[in-house]
Amino acid sequence: EAQVTQNPRYLITVTGKKLTVTCSQNMNHEYMSWYRQDPGLGLRQIYYSMNVEVTDKGDVPEGYKVSRKEKRNFPLILESPSPNQTSLYFCASSRAGTANYGYTFGSGTRLTVV
Amino acid sequence: DAKTTQPNSMESNEEEPVHLPCNHSTISGTDYIHWYRQLPSQGPEYVIHGLTSNVNNRMASLAIAEDRKSSTLILHRATLRDAAVYYCILSPTGNQFYFGTGTSLTVIP
Repeated sequence: EAQVTQNPRYLITVTGKKLTVTCSQNMNHEYMSWYRQDPGLGLRQIYYSMNVEVTDKGDVPEGYKVSRKEKRNFPLILESPSPNQTSLYFCASSRAGTANYGYTFGSGTRLTVV
Repeated sequence: DAKTTQPNSMESNEEEPVHLPCNHSTISGTDYIHWYRQLPSQGPEYVIHGLTSNVNNRMASLAIAEDRKSSTLILHRATLRDAAVYYCILSPTGNQFYFGTGTSLTVIP
């Protein structure tokens, strides 16, 4: 089944403890992206990647890192999480030329930083 | 980024057509109009997209105004499974999407 898989689904962590949220897609998509969703603010793009070793900042990149060493994986790294990064996170992927193709989203990761 | 304006919420009766409006008065010539929806406790789901002409697919139809300053997503027969938040998004390349807060659609049995 074509899908975007995020892990973990739920995570509670403490301030300052480095964490990684994994994202993997099995559709050979070039584009991958991370979003966070907060009440009243909708979904905001954190980082995106147009292909292997190519990443760029979205609207809210501060406090996050990403890497794209392989086409299928696009992990989101929080080096020193803070409570304001408590949010629902979504990973998405698409074929090249996303204006002509839709994004496929993962099921989300709910992160709580205490 | 060009922004969109959508009503916060709408209601529809089951099995009736639903017209979800979106205003995008600052749209540029290269902006595609995308629609996504998000069901409760799920990630967003692609619905439809277009540039200038009206578009149809198995999920919905997209009607784009001649001046492209507005568009309407049409669900031909609303079902309870269509209850979701619907997002209208503009993007010239599809790399960066501004989702906004969307329209929450309630379907009444």
